[in-house]
Amino acid sequence: DAKTTQPNSMESNEEEPVHLPCNHSTISGTDYIHWYRQLPSQGPEYVIHGLTSNVNNRMASLAIAEDRKSSTLILHRATLRDAAVYYCILREARGGSEKLVFGKGTKLTVNP
Amino acid sequence: DAGVTQSPTHLIKTRGQQVTLRCSPKSGHDTVSWYQQALGQGPQFIFQYYEEEERQRGNFPDRFSGHQFPNYSSELNVNALLLGDSALYLCASSRRGTGVAVYGYTFGSGTRLTVV
Repeated sequence: DAKTTQPNSMESNEEEPVHLPCNHSTISGTDYIHWYRQLPSQGPEYVIHGLTSNVNNRMASLAIAEDRKSSTLILHRATLRDAAVYYCILREARGGSEKLVFGKGTKLTVNP
Repeated sequence: DAGVTQSPTHLIKTRGQQVTLRCSPKSGHDTVSWYQQALGQGPQFIFQYYEEEERQRGNFPDRFSGHQFPNYSSELNVNALLLGDSALYLCASSRRGTGVAVYGYTFGSGTRLTVV
């Protein structure tokens, strides 16, 4: 399984941008990069995904390095509700099936 | 529109017993995956079901088995429970072929299993 590496924790202030880094040096050409976040006592929530190009949606932006060995999730203005564990995940598709390979994630703390 | 529904929310079992967890996927989704999340860890892939067949399996023993029904709902069965099976069990649904590449997986809130 391809692996991702993230910092264990990060801290931000409310209303400020947050950049969450992720390394995935063993990524293969068909692996999509997904980001999910998980609040306490809840299941993971989809945030964003991409393959090669940078992506934007209403929740966040995803910046993918040209060699695809790293990516950064960008929250443009952090709010207290963004405090969660953020997972950078590779979606591996093999033989007609697929799975998400989770790491330990980054615990984001947002200070008021 | 209901998301993924899992039942029960909490469960306490004794070592050696068997347990069945249930999952109803999001409307419009036909693929169900199961994950195990130990405390403080990220979720670990158990297996995925599509068209009532197990399509891929993670590194879990045969004590873990599953089933998918014609209405796309799914069950996870664990036999001969061990203390180490205590975890949050998550069900995730998706729509094959659209797919995940467009919308991502939808996860349920999980079933908290405690083995004593």
